[in-house]
Amino acid sequence: QTVVTQEPSLTVSPGGTVTLTCASSTGAVTSGYESNWFQQKTGQAPRSLIYLTTNKHWWTPARFSGSLLGGKAALTLSDVQPEDEADYYCLLYHNGVPVFGTGTRVTVL
Amino acid sequence: EVQLVESGGNLVQPGGSLRLSCAASGFTFSKYWMHWVRQAPGKGLVWVSHINNDGSYANYADSVKGRFTMSRDNAKNMVYLQMNSLRVEDTAVYYCGTINYGDPPPWGQGTLVTVSS
Repeated sequence: QTVVTQEPSLTVSPGGTVTLTCASSTGAVTSGYESNWFQQKTGQAPRSLIYLTTNKHWWTPARFSGSLLGGKAALTLSDVQPEDEADYYCLLYHNGVPVFGTGTRVTVL
Repeated sequence: EVQLVESGGNLVQPGGSLRLSCAASGFTFSKYWMHWVRQAPGKGLVWVSHINNDGSYANYADSVKGRFTMSRDNAKNMVYLQMNSLRVEDTAVYYCGTINYGDPPPWGQGTLVTVSS
């Protein structure tokens, strides 16, 4: 069974930068894993932020960026704002099957 | 308005069945692969199933394979999830949505399925 692992929690100061990572139990993550990143605020539905590793939607704030870093998918939040406090989930495709990551709770403090 | 609205969630006994529905509006529904994703109370997101844009192909997570069936009706802009042999561990909020599109509809607010005796 494929497991996709994220940091359980990260804390960042307002205006700071934080990088979330997403690792696959099958090995290094490449562009072929078509990584996606979702944000979920308390009591709300998930919202897509990044698709196909680096692509943003029109609603994705410019301070969010997706990349591949050291064999993992990564989401970097720059100039963090209080409203960025949320749970973040990555998703990787493994042989055509999507698998969500374990999720990272980002606290802005 | 571009939206997805899930419905059909309810309290059901173990071994029972439910059919969830997801109504799409405001976009070209037939263009998109659709997904069901669930979230147990206090837990993370789990992918459940997806279906291609014309309904000819569907795939499922191992945990629901053989029990759940996903289908769609492009004439009605609807996608469905037939859930049979429900287990306590199927208790979750079920969301429908899309993945990997540049201009996707927002995910719906979800529908709660509770499996309990």
